[in-house]
Amino acid sequence: AQSVAQPEDQVNVAEGNPLTVKCTYSVSGNPYLFWYVQYPNRGLQFLLKYITGDNLVKGSYGFEAEFNKSQTSFHLKKPSALVSDSALYFCAVRDMETSYDKVIFGPGTSLSVIP
Amino acid sequence: DSGVTQTPKHLITATGQRVTLRCSPRSGDLSVYWYQQSLDQGLQFLIQYYNGEERAKGNILERFSAQQFPDLHSELNLSSLELGDSALYFCASSVVLTGYEQFFGPGTRLTVL
Repeated sequence: AQSVAQPEDQVNVAEGNPLTVKCTYSVSGNPYLFWYVQYPNRGLQFLLKYITGDNLVKGSYGFEAEFNKSQTSFHLKKPSALVSDSALYFCAVRDMETSYDKVIFGPGTSLSVIP
Repeated sequence: DSGVTQTPKHLITATGQRVTLRCSPRSGDLSVYWYQQSLDQGLQFLIQYYNGEERAKGNILERFSAQQFPDLHSELNLSSLELGDSALYFCASSVVLTGYEQFFGPGTRLTVL
């Protein structure tokens, strides 16, 4: 079965430090991977995606993610964290077992950037 | 602003009642998805429609139903409501054949008392 895991419920980082939010996946075939962010009382916003090509994907707000096929990981990174980056982050994978556009979301990781 | 609209923003109702949540997708998007977000269950996919037809089903209860109309807006109907149905309900839309990213609406917060 397709699945996505985010091993950390909570990540704390000091403002200005690099941040990493971890994601691992299990899919059959080539994965389509996504990161979304949810600010308080808001809907999810798309950050970036990996479908094919370069393993380092750049997205919105200075975020990037690195696809690692051997480790089945797709970690989200940012070189210098901002307080405004504090939010809930979701990793997601497209369900390759169907031909439809169904996406499976991870449980989410709460990021707190401390001033 | 994602371009996806949802009404109402908040809904408070009693157990046993029925409610309808409404979603308008982004202009040009043919696919609509419904999700339920609660503290204990996280973000759960409920159902997907594409151009008026049901395309995928997730963890949707039999008490819940949805449809997508010819103008592409969608409605999620929740009936015989229980306390445990209290949650945030999100609608998302996408252009199915390109990109695969979904654009989420602001959500409807349902409180069942």
